[in-house]
Amino acid sequence: DAGVIQSPRHEVTEMGQEVTLRCKPISGHNSLFWYRQTMMRGLELLIYFNNNVPIDDSGMPEDRFSAKMPNASFSTLKIQPSEPRDSAVYFCASRPGQYEAFFGQGTRLTVV
Amino acid sequence: AQKITQTQPGMFVQEKEAVTLDCTYDTSDQSYGLFWYKQPSSGEMIFLIYQGSYDEQNATEGRYSLNFQKARKSANLVISASQLGDSAMYFCAMREALRGKLIFGQGTELSVKP
Repeated sequence: DAGVIQSPRHEVTEMGQEVTLRCKPISGHNSLFWYRQTMMRGLELLIYFNNNVPIDDSGMPEDRFSAKMPNASFSTLKIQPSEPRDSAVYFCASRPGQYEAFFGQGTRLTVV
Repeated sequence: AQKITQTQPGMFVQEKEAVTLDCTYDTSDQSYGLFWYKQPSSGEMIFLIYQGSYDEQNATEGRYSLNFQKARKSANLVISASQLGDSAMYFCAMREALRGKLIFGQGTELSVKP
């Protein structure tokens, strides 16, 4: 299995532009998580899905952030418009059942 | 609300010695799971060890063991015989039982000295 696949690995964009981060979870995993990691705030849970349904999006910073999971093999996290304070590493993770979550390699986003 | 606290921003240990990384948690759930992850400088998140709240014995995985004290709500990670490759960030995490939410502590940066 290829593991959780995130794309792109690096993204540099200008303030005000739309950014879309993508995630392909491990086949058969029914939970998917999006996290944001910064030095100041650590690893924050943004949103998570069970069986493609958003369960808790209380961690989404503001309306500029949105996430979708149209099917079991794909999820997106969109930021529109992006701001410099959105610069961070964004991780996607998937999990089968209730045990450990498997993380992707992350997307390093820089908004200039 | 659930919360995970790691009070040690940074730790040093001499190679071949044991080290304990602290983790306390707060939850009103009776059933939950506790995890430790390692994040080396390359950035990936590596699962190390899991402890269920109803597990009576402390979890062990090779050189890693989890010192689970339920009454004190602590889940400390013990690394025995530290190696240079253990230098990394270590995160404690908790999963709530009902909806499966998974939250992380702030992390502890471990440096192993030769």
